[in-house]
Amino acid sequence: DQQVKQNSPSLSVQEGRISILNCDYTNSMFDYFLWYKKYPAEGPTFLISISSIKDKNEDGRFTVFLNKSAKHLSLHIVPSQPGDSAVYFCAAIYSGNTPLVFGKGTRLSVIA
Amino acid sequence: DVKVTQSSRYLVKRTGEKVFLECVQDMDHENMFWYRQDPGLGLRLIYFSYDVKMKEKGDIPEGYSVSREKKERFSLILESASTNQTSMYLCASSLGTESTYEQYFGPGTRLTVT
Repeated sequence: DQQVKQNSPSLSVQEGRISILNCDYTNSMFDYFLWYKKYPAEGPTFLISISSIKDKNEDGRFTVFLNKSAKHLSLHIVPSQPGDSAVYFCAAIYSGNTPLVFGKGTRLSVIA
Repeated sequence: DVKVTQSSRYLVKRTGEKVFLECVQDMDHENMFWYRQDPGLGLRLIYFSYDVKMKEKGDIPEGYSVSREKKERFSLILESASTNQTSMYLCASSLGTESTYEQYFGPGTRLTVT
């Protein structure tokens, strides 16, 4: 039973345009959400996060939106750059000391 | 700057061998985790630990064991390696407070079992 779902395995976007990566979750107990970026042969690196008390968090070219009623979050990258080509993982966590629950990832390709 | 290191980047072992994957973090983090990453399956949690000598099973613990004798070190053990354990293994650590959920990952070990 997948609690965090990334339904698009891959996404291709032209350089300079917006990339939108989506993530859905089923467990209403989740109250903190994170996005990680992973290049081949490297470990994932933290990108941006959002608490359930917010609906938007911005960091430079990256913005995460949270819609709690729809149990949906999205990561927007504007403008997209070739160096953004990577696998992006969505993750969620309850309050307290529990492990992150990861989605299966979306491979983003930014085409020059 | 948090650093998580893993003992090997690439490893090739034979079926039936006992395999040790070592992970060390230098930021005094309470929590440590082992994942494997396979194409189309994302990151799957094998084992985790919230304290020294403490361990908890993740989603796919079968065929694996772990050891945490010191706070900074978390070892993953494949008792008898099999070909279906060929994968990328990722170690992570986190501070363990409610205000910081971020996990820091090591570079990964690409294990091939032949």
